[in-house]
Amino acid sequence: SQKIEQNSEALNIQEGKTATLTCNYTNYSPAYLQWYRQDPGRGPVFLLLIRENEKEKRKERLKVTFDTTLKQSLFHITASQPADSATYLCALEGSSNTGKLIFGQGTTLQVKP
Amino acid sequence: DADVTQTPRNRITKTGKRIMLECSQTKGHDRMYWYRQDPGLGLRLIYYSFDVKDINKGEISDGYSVSRQAQAKFSLSLESAIPNQTALYFCATSDTLTEETQYFGPGTRLLVL
Repeated sequence: SQKIEQNSEALNIQEGKTATLTCNYTNYSPAYLQWYRQDPGRGPVFLLLIRENEKEKRKERLKVTFDTTLKQSLFHITASQPADSATYLCALEGSSNTGKLIFGQGTTLQVKP
Repeated sequence: DADVTQTPRNRITKTGKRIMLECSQTKGHDRMYWYRQDPGLGLRLIYYSFDVKDINKGEISDGYSVSRQAQAKFSLSLESAIPNQTALYFCATSDTLTEETQYFGPGTRLLVL
Protein backbone atom coordinates (compact mmCIF):
# COMPACT_ATOMS: atom_id res chain seq x y z
CA SER A 1 0.00 0.00 0.00
CA GLN A 2 1.03 3.60 -0.46
CA LYS A 3 2.26 5.41 2.62
CA ILE A 4 3.98 8.61 3.58
CA GLU A 5 5.33 8.65 7.09
CA GLN A 6 6.83 11.18 9.42
CA ASN A 7 7.95 10.71 12.99
CA SER A 8 4.82 11.02 15.07
CA GLU A 9 6.77 11.75 18.22
CA ALA A 10 7.62 15.36 18.90
CA LEU A 11 11.20 16.41 18.42
CA ASN A 12 12.65 18.46 21.26
CA ILE A 13 15.96 20.23 20.75
CA GLN A 14 17.97 23.01 22.30
CA GLU A 15 18.20 26.42 20.70
CA GLY A 16 21.15 26.71 18.34
CA LYS A 17 21.20 23.03 17.44
CA THR A 18 20.26 21.53 14.09
CA ALA A 19 16.84 19.92 13.86
CA THR A 20 16.45 17.03 11.43
CA LEU A 21 13.03 15.77 10.43
CA THR A 22 12.40 12.68 8.34
CA CYS A 23 9.81 11.85 5.70
CA ASN A 24 9.64 8.34 4.27
CA TYR A 25 7.35 7.09 1.57
CA THR A 26 6.49 3.78 -0.04
CA ASN A 27 4.92 2.88 -3.38
CA TYR A 28 5.07 6.40 -4.75
CA SER A 29 7.29 7.77 -7.48
CA PRO A 30 6.91 11.50 -6.87
CA ALA A 31 8.27 14.06 -9.26
CA TYR A 32 8.76 16.36 -6.29
CA LEU A 33 8.35 16.59 -2.55
CA GLN A 34 7.38 19.62 -0.50
CA TRP A 35 7.71 20.76 3.09
CA TYR A 36 5.17 22.94 4.88
CA ARG A 37 5.11 24.57 8.30
CA GLN A 38 1.93 24.64 10.37
CA ASP A 39 1.41 26.65 13.53
CA PRO A 40 -1.40 25.74 15.96
CA GLY A 41 -4.79 26.81 14.66
CA ARG A 42 -3.41 27.98 11.32
CA GLY A 43 -3.16 26.67 7.80
CA PRO A 44 0.05 25.12 6.49
CA VAL A 45 2.57 27.45 4.87
CA PHE A 46 4.83 26.32 2.03
CA LEU A 47 8.54 26.26 2.79
CA LEU A 48 10.49 24.32 0.17
CA LEU A 49 10.05 22.09 -2.85
CA ILE A 50 12.65 19.60 -4.09
CA ARG A 51 12.39 17.75 -7.38
CA GLU A 52 13.34 14.15 -8.07
CA ASN A 53 16.47 15.17 -9.95
CA GLU A 54 17.69 17.39 -7.12
CA LYS A 55 19.66 15.98 -4.22
CA GLU A 56 19.58 19.03 -2.00
CA LYS A 57 17.83 22.39 -1.74
CA ARG A 58 18.60 25.26 0.61
CA LYS A 59 16.75 28.35 1.75
CA GLU A 60 18.33 30.44 4.48
CA ARG A 61 18.60 28.13 7.51
CA LEU A 62 16.57 25.38 5.87
CA LYS A 63 17.94 22.45 3.90
CA VAL A 64 16.05 19.61 2.29
CA THR A 65 17.47 16.44 0.79
CA PHE A 66 15.67 13.95 -1.40
CA ASP A 67 16.87 10.38 -1.89
CA THR A 68 14.65 8.59 -4.42
CA THR A 69 16.51 5.32 -3.85
CA LEU A 70 15.87 5.32 -0.12
CA LYS A 71 12.48 6.97 -0.72
CA GLN A 72 13.27 9.51 1.92
CA SER A 73 13.50 13.26 2.43
CA LEU A 74 15.30 14.93 5.29
CA PHE A 75 14.45 18.45 6.44
CA HIS A 76 17.08 20.33 8.41
CA ILE A 77 16.83 23.58 10.34
CA THR A 78 20.24 24.87 11.34
CA ALA A 79 20.84 27.23 14.25
CA SER A 80 17.31 26.52 15.44
CA GLN A 81 15.35 29.16 17.34
CA PRO A 82 12.29 28.95 19.60
CA ALA A 83 10.35 30.65 16.78
CA ASP A 84 10.97 27.53 14.68
CA SER A 85 8.70 25.57 17.01
CA ALA A 86 5.82 24.29 14.89
CA THR A 87 4.56 21.20 13.11
CA TYR A 88 6.29 20.39 9.83
CA LEU A 89 4.48 18.50 7.11
CA CYS A 90 5.94 16.77 4.10
CA ALA A 91 3.85 16.30 1.00
CA LEU A 92 4.31 14.61 -2.33
CA GLU A 93 2.38 14.40 -5.56
CA GLY A 94 0.13 11.38 -5.34
CA SER A 95 -0.28 10.84 -9.06
CA SER A 96 1.73 12.22 -11.94
CA ASN A 97 0.77 15.68 -13.18
CA THR A 98 -2.40 15.90 -11.12
CA GLY A 99 -1.34 18.52 -8.62
CA LYS A 100 -2.88 16.37 -5.89
CA LEU A 101 -0.72 16.34 -2.79
CA ILE A 102 -0.54 13.55 -0.25
CA PHE A 103 0.52 14.82 3.18
CA GLY A 104 2.35 13.11 5.98
CA GLN A 105 0.87 13.44 9.45
CA GLY A 106 3.53 15.94 10.48
CA THR A 107 6.25 16.13 13.10
CA THR A 108 6.06 18.67 15.90
CA LEU A 109 9.31 20.45 16.65
CA GLN A 110 9.87 22.15 19.98
CA VAL A 111 12.97 24.34 20.28
CA LYS A 112 13.84 25.19 23.85
CA PRO A 113 15.77 28.34 24.78
CA ASP B 1 -6.06 41.19 3.39
CA ALA B 2 -5.59 37.43 3.37
CA ASP B 3 -5.32 35.78 -0.05
CA VAL B 4 -7.39 32.75 0.92
CA THR B 5 -10.28 33.26 3.32
CA GLN B 6 -12.64 30.79 4.91
CA THR B 7 -15.98 31.35 6.59
CA PRO B 8 -17.01 30.59 9.21
CA ARG B 9 -13.85 30.17 11.28
CA ASN B 10 -15.66 28.15 13.90
CA ARG B 11 -18.95 26.30 13.73
CA ILE B 12 -20.93 24.13 16.09
CA THR B 13 -23.80 22.16 14.62
CA LYS B 14 -25.99 19.21 15.44
CA THR B 15 -26.14 15.77 13.90
CA GLY B 16 -28.30 15.74 10.79
CA LYS B 17 -27.96 19.42 9.97
CA ARG B 18 -26.77 20.62 6.57
CA ILE B 19 -23.95 23.11 6.70
CA MET B 20 -21.79 24.93 4.20
CA LEU B 21 -18.21 26.05 4.53
CA GLU B 22 -17.08 28.74 2.15
CA CYS B 23 -13.73 29.56 0.64
CA SER B 24 -12.73 32.63 -1.35
CA GLN B 25 -9.40 33.55 -2.88
CA THR B 26 -7.90 36.64 -4.41
CA LYS B 27 -4.78 34.95 -5.77
CA GLY B 28 -6.27 34.41 -9.22
CA HIS B 29 -5.53 30.69 -9.00
CA ASP B 30 -7.56 28.22 -11.00
CA ARG B 31 -7.13 25.20 -8.74
CA MET B 32 -8.87 24.86 -5.39
CA TYR B 33 -8.96 22.09 -2.80
CA TRP B 34 -10.75 21.09 0.38
CA TYR B 35 -8.95 19.11 3.08
CA ARG B 36 -9.82 17.93 6.53
CA GLN B 37 -7.29 17.53 9.30
CA ASP B 38 -7.67 15.19 12.24
CA PRO B 39 -5.13 14.64 15.02
CA GLY B 40 -2.62 11.99 14.02
CA LEU B 41 -4.05 11.61 10.51
CA GLY B 42 -2.67 14.64 8.77
CA LEU B 43 -4.41 16.42 5.93
CA ARG B 44 -6.74 14.37 3.77
CA LEU B 45 -8.15 15.54 0.47
CA ILE B 46 -11.95 15.73 0.25
CA TYR B 47 -12.54 17.36 -3.15
CA TYR B 48 -10.57 19.36 -5.65
CA SER B 49 -11.36 21.51 -8.65
CA PHE B 50 -9.00 22.49 -11.44
CA ASP B 51 -11.40 25.01 -12.95
CA VAL B 52 -15.03 26.06 -12.63
CA LYS B 53 -16.31 23.13 -14.68
CA ASP B 54 -14.00 20.52 -13.22
CA ILE B 55 -14.83 18.88 -9.86
CA ASN B 56 -13.10 15.75 -8.61
CA LYS B 57 -13.43 13.53 -5.57
CA GLY B 58 -10.52 13.14 -3.23
CA GLU B 59 -9.80 10.25 -0.91
CA ILE B 60 -12.61 10.94 1.58
CA SER B 61 -15.52 12.50 -0.32
CA ASP B 62 -18.36 10.44 1.17
CA GLY B 63 -20.79 12.64 3.08
CA TYR B 64 -19.52 15.82 1.42
CA SER B 65 -20.37 17.80 -1.69
CA VAL B 66 -18.82 20.88 -3.27
CA SER B 67 -19.74 23.75 -5.52
CA ARG B 68 -17.37 25.91 -7.57
CA GLN B 69 -19.46 29.03 -8.02
CA ALA B 70 -16.71 31.04 -9.66
CA GLN B 71 -12.99 30.80 -10.13
CA ALA B 72 -12.52 32.51 -6.78
CA LYS B 73 -15.12 30.60 -4.75
CA PHE B 74 -15.28 26.96 -3.69
CA SER B 75 -17.83 25.78 -1.12
CA LEU B 76 -17.94 22.55 0.85
CA SER B 77 -21.26 21.17 2.10
CA LEU B 78 -22.00 18.53 4.67
CA GLU B 79 -25.40 17.24 3.60
CA SER B 80 -26.26 15.66 6.93
CA ALA B 81 -23.55 16.28 9.50
CA ILE B 82 -22.41 13.45 11.76
CA PRO B 83 -20.07 13.57 14.78
CA ASN B 84 -17.14 11.94 12.99
CA GLN B 85 -17.05 14.92 10.64
CA THR B 86 -15.80 16.97 13.56
CA ALA B 87 -12.44 18.22 12.31
CA LEU B 88 -10.42 21.18 11.11
CA TYR B 89 -11.21 21.99 7.47
CA PHE B 90 -8.83 23.77 5.15
CA CYS B 91 -9.27 25.26 1.73
CA ALA B 92 -6.22 25.61 -0.49
CA THR B 93 -5.41 27.01 -3.92
CA SER B 94 -2.73 26.53 -6.52
CA ASP B 95 -1.92 27.85 -9.96
CA THR B 96 -1.72 25.63 -13.03
CA LEU B 97 1.47 27.34 -14.12
CA THR B 98 3.19 26.80 -10.76
CA GLU B 99 0.98 23.93 -9.74
CA GLU B 100 3.04 22.37 -7.08
CA THR B 101 2.76 24.93 -4.28
CA GLN B 102 -0.52 25.14 -2.42
CA TYR B 103 -1.70 28.16 -0.44
CA PHE B 104 -3.94 27.44 2.50
CA GLY B 105 -6.70 29.36 4.19
CA PRO B 106 -6.85 29.80 7.97
CA GLY B 107 -9.17 26.85 8.48
CA THR B 108 -12.66 26.23 9.84
CA ARG B 109 -13.01 24.36 13.11
CA LEU B 110 -16.20 22.30 12.95
CA LEU B 111 -17.83 20.53 15.88
CA VAL B 112 -20.77 18.22 15.21
CA LEU B 113 -22.71 17.32 18.34
